[in-house]
Amino acid sequence: AQSVTQLDSHVSVSEGTPVLLRCNYSSSYSPSLFWYVQHPNKGLQLLLKYTSAATLVKGINGFEAEFKKSETSFHLTKPSAHMSDAAEYFCVVRGTNDYKLSFGAGTTVTVRA
Amino acid sequence: GAGVSQSPSNKVTEKGKDVELRCDPISGHTALYWYRQSLGQGLEFLIYFQGNSAPDKSGLPSDRFSAERTGGSVSTLTIQRTQQEDSAVYLCASSPVELVGNTIYFGEGSWLTVV
Repeated sequence: AQSVTQLDSHVSVSEGTPVLLRCNYSSSYSPSLFWYVQHPNKGLQLLLKYTSAATLVKGINGFEAEFKKSETSFHLTKPSAHMSDAAEYFCVVRGTNDYKLSFGAGTTVTVRA
Repeated sequence: GAGVSQSPSNKVTEKGKDVELRCDPISGHTALYWYRQSLGQGLEFLIYFQGNSAPDKSGLPSDRFSAERTGGSVSTLTIQRTQQEDSAVYLCASSPVELVGNTIYFGEGSWLTVV
């Protein structure tokens, strides 16, 4: 079984400053890990995914995440926040040979002008 | 279009009525998921289809909920005798196969309001 904990329910940053969204996972096997973003009244869009290749994963819109097995973490970062980054972000894990996705509770990002 | 398509995008229905929500997965994707996103409840797994295998229905919350997938493509989620607690966004997703690392693509959801 696997599970995901997003450590912050809400993150507020100023435009142009770094963003850090924290995610810890629990998985019995080598997991696949994903970050999705959901803008208001929209569906889920994939930002990036980790699938046992490079531990530093680059995604769309300047986001990246680092898989740290020793810390069971997959934190999402962006060097400089933009107003358009205001949204809800979900960390998702899927175990090897497991089709079910486990979602974190989500982190709401607010960007201040 | 190239993405997962869901219809209707918005549905308001009276309590006690039946509703059908439709999902067109990406062409060639054999895996199809339904999830429910309720306010304050996060994303909840409902059902999973993979090819011609028996679906995993373990997430359906009650026997008022059912889903089918015809010809391995289009899926319909049916909610009978809707209740106010059924109000949520119903998200459909598809994936090429269930192998490790395959991306799961989500539709924009069907927003259901039961009044």
